[in-house]
This record gives sequence, C-alpha cells and structure tokens, in this order.
Amino acid sequence: AAGVIQSPRHLIKEKRETATLKCYPIPRHDTVYWYQQGPGQDPQFLISFYEKMQSDKGSIPDRFSAQQFSDYHSELNMSSLELGDSALYFCASSFAGQGPNTGELFFGEGSRLTVL
Amino acid sequence: KQEVTQIPAALSVPEGENLVLNCSFTDSAIYNLQWFRQDPGKGLTSLLLIQSSQREQTSGRLNASLDKSSGRSTLYIAASQPGDSATYLCAVTGGLTGGGNKLTFGTGTQLKVEL
Repeated sequence: AAGVIQSPRHLIKEKRETATLKCYPIPRHDTVYWYQQGPGQDPQFLISFYEKMQSDKGSIPDRFSAQQFSDYHSELNMSSLELGDSALYFCASSFAGQGPNTGELFFGEGSRLTVL
Repeated sequence: KQEVTQIPAALSVPEGENLVLNCSFTDSAIYNLQWFRQDPGKGLTSLLLIQSSQREQTSGRLNASLDKSSGRSTLYIAASQPGDSATYLCAVTGGLTGGGNKLTFGTGTQLKVEL
C-alpha cells in the first residue's frame, strides 16, 4: 500500500540558508500535517492543511511557511535557518471523511535537517 | 491545553514477558487516540487507533484500551520479543482546549526487550 512520501530524506544547510521539504500524502487523503522532532523530544505540531487550506497552526516559527498544492502534496519552506532548526521533520496525512479509520494519521519516514 | 503523559519513561523486560504501557491525557473530550512505535532515527508507525466511541482495539499481540472519562489509555504487549524494542508514543486528537484534528503526543516510553 502507498505510504506518505517525504523528500529529501537528508538535508544539510548552513545558517541563514533556506530549505524546502516536500510531502506526498497517501492517495485520497485530504489532510496533511507537519511535525518537528528535536533530538530526544516528542514530535511537535507545526501546521496542517485540509483540502488545500490551512486548518490549524502550532508552534511554527515566522521564518517557516507551508502550503498544500492542487495535487495535495505539501511543501514546508524554512528560511534564515538557525542551528536550533536541526531536527527530524515529519509529514503525516489522514482522511477526514466517514469510515472506520477516519482521522488516523499516517506518517512519512521524515526529513532530517542538519544546520551547520 | 491538552497534555499527554506516559509512564514509565523507560522499561526493560526479559523476552516473553507481558507488559503494559500507560498514557494519560488532561482533556478527556478527545476524538481519537493513537499508539505509535518509533525506532531510533526513524518514522512513526501507527499501531492502533481508538476512536472516542470505542473502548479497545486489538492487533496481533497488541491490545489498547481507552477510558475517556478518566483520561487514560493502556497498551498491552503480550509475549514480548526483542524486535518490540522501540519507543512507544501515545497521541490524542481533539479536546475542548483547542486540540482540533492535530495529534498531541506524549513523552514516550522507551522499551527494551532483552534476550
């Protein structure tokens, strides 16, 4: 079965540079979520989109922005990178309609960002 | 604000033992509760989803229960194996404190099953 696809899997950037992460949700899923997981931390919610509209916002820095496109894939743009942005970034998707597993989130393998 | 706590933080058991992981949440008006497994540096694998109207779910050697009124869930692992070694995360959606559809994660239980 198709899963959530994230790219790139690994990314190394310098301070003050820009990075873009991509996420391709499971087919027919209508909601995409972005999470950040620092070393030894639990995942922290950044932002989510439902049907291409922002649906919820968490602890996402102003330097970060995201959007969901017409094909439902999503991109997380991070600018003016700081050392503290080094983390695993997860994308998840879910289906908000009716069904036995409505609302179950499925996560991608993550994109590991290292800021030097 | 929803807060999710997991006890214990770490657990080491010999192979073959049955074990219970605990999760508690402060806002009981949740939509769903999910248990995940995470191997070091890897993604999150969904193990079980319990919707708010359900009391438990089972998958193989795993059984998860939900008591919404008391804000608790347990994950029972039967006949543990070394391959079960991982961090187990509990997460909830919803709540009256603005949880919405996003997951709020617990602090995790790091499990080690020894030969």
